[in-house]
This record gives sequence, C-alpha cells and structure tokens, in this order.
Amino acid sequence: DGGITQSPKYLFRKEGQNVTLSCEQNLNHDAMYWYRQDPGQGLRLIYYSQIVNDFQKGDIAEGYSVSREKKESFPLTVTSAQKNPTAFYLCASSITSYNSPLHFGNGTRLTVT
Amino acid sequence: GDSVTQMEGPVTLSEEAFLTINCTYTATGYPSLFWYVQYPGEGLQLLLKATKADDKGSNKGFEATYRKETTSFHLEKGSVQVSDSAVYFCALSGSNDYKLSFGAGTTVTVRA
Repeated sequence: DGGITQSPKYLFRKEGQNVTLSCEQNLNHDAMYWYRQDPGQGLRLIYYSQIVNDFQKGDIAEGYSVSREKKESFPLTVTSAQKNPTAFYLCASSITSYNSPLHFGNGTRLTVT
Repeated sequence: GDSVTQMEGPVTLSEEAFLTINCTYTATGYPSLFWYVQYPGEGLQLLLKATKADDKGSNKGFEATYRKETTSFHLEKGSVQVSDSAVYFCALSGSNDYKLSFGAGTTVTVRA
C-alpha cells in the first residue's frame, strides 16, 4: 500500500542536541511538507519542497533545516536553535496541482528536556 | 495572506445529535477548501473537499458547501456516532499555491 512513513513515533532528546525526523513516501508525489502541531494552534508550516533538490521556508522555519536529495525522502532536522522544539511533527505529500489534497503520515512526537 | 478561522471547541455531543463546525476563510482569488479529521495519536485524513463556489463535498455522512458570498465552508453531520470523536481541521489552498493553510482545529467528543 502507498503511504507516508514517519519514524520514530516518539523521540526524546536533551536540550542542545540536534535531532532528525524521518519522512518517506512511496506515493510518487513531487511535493512534500513539514508541519508542526501544538495544542490549540492548528498546524503551522515549517518547510516544503515541490521538487527534488529544492525547498522553501514556511511560516516557522527558524531553528529547522531540511534536505530533499530524493523524491521519496524529506528529513527534518530540529536544531538546538529552535527555542521550543517539543511538539507533534507531521509530514505530508501531494501532487503538484492546485486542488490536490495532502496525504499525511502518522506523525512524530518530539520531547526535548 | 490566506487564512482560515474555525469555531473553537471543545464540542461535546450525545450520539445521534446534529453537528455543525463553522469555518470561514480569507483568500484572494478562488481557493480550494478542505476538511481534515485527526483521530488520537494519528496524522490527518482528508474528509472532504470543494474546489469552486457552490460545490458540496461529502463523505461518511459529513457535508460542507463552499459559499463564496459568505466566505464559509461549514461542516455538518446529521447524526453523529461515538466513532466521530476526533479533531476536525478546516483548510484552504490558494488559487496560486499548493500548500495548505489550516484552522486551529475543533475537538469533538461524542458520548454514548
């Protein structure tokens, strides 16, 4: 079955450490996205990529970095510069059409102490 | 920029009650509108969508109509079940954009 796989489901890190969240899709989608979800704030866009080797900042990119070396993969690194990294992180993908919905993974819950 | 405002929750209902979640939007041009549902501990799933004015999206007993005159896309279900307990998100994609802007989400709890 096609889908998006995020791993791990739960991640714990100490403050000051960088951490990378994995996102893989086998839907053959060109576009991929990272959202952050906090209680009562909905989803906020961190980074997105519409094609391999290219990506753009979303609304809250500070303290995060991404790469898009393969169509299937869009890893997100949460750096030590991110002031409030504890959150639920969602990866999504879509075809590059203006009406197309996003397909989401099941998320990674990151806790930084 | 484009934005979505949806009613705040939480909403608690009894089984078989009528559910309405209000959603209004601000956008230039002709956005596409979506409702997503999120069950506990999971990602979001597309519930329904509408791509032009007066379109009605429907799925699993839920409906929403794209009203350009009131810039709204309210979600409705005539008779909810316990299994409808979830967080519901309204979202839009601009007419020149692929990415989605989401509302804050509305938590719905249905009691037996």
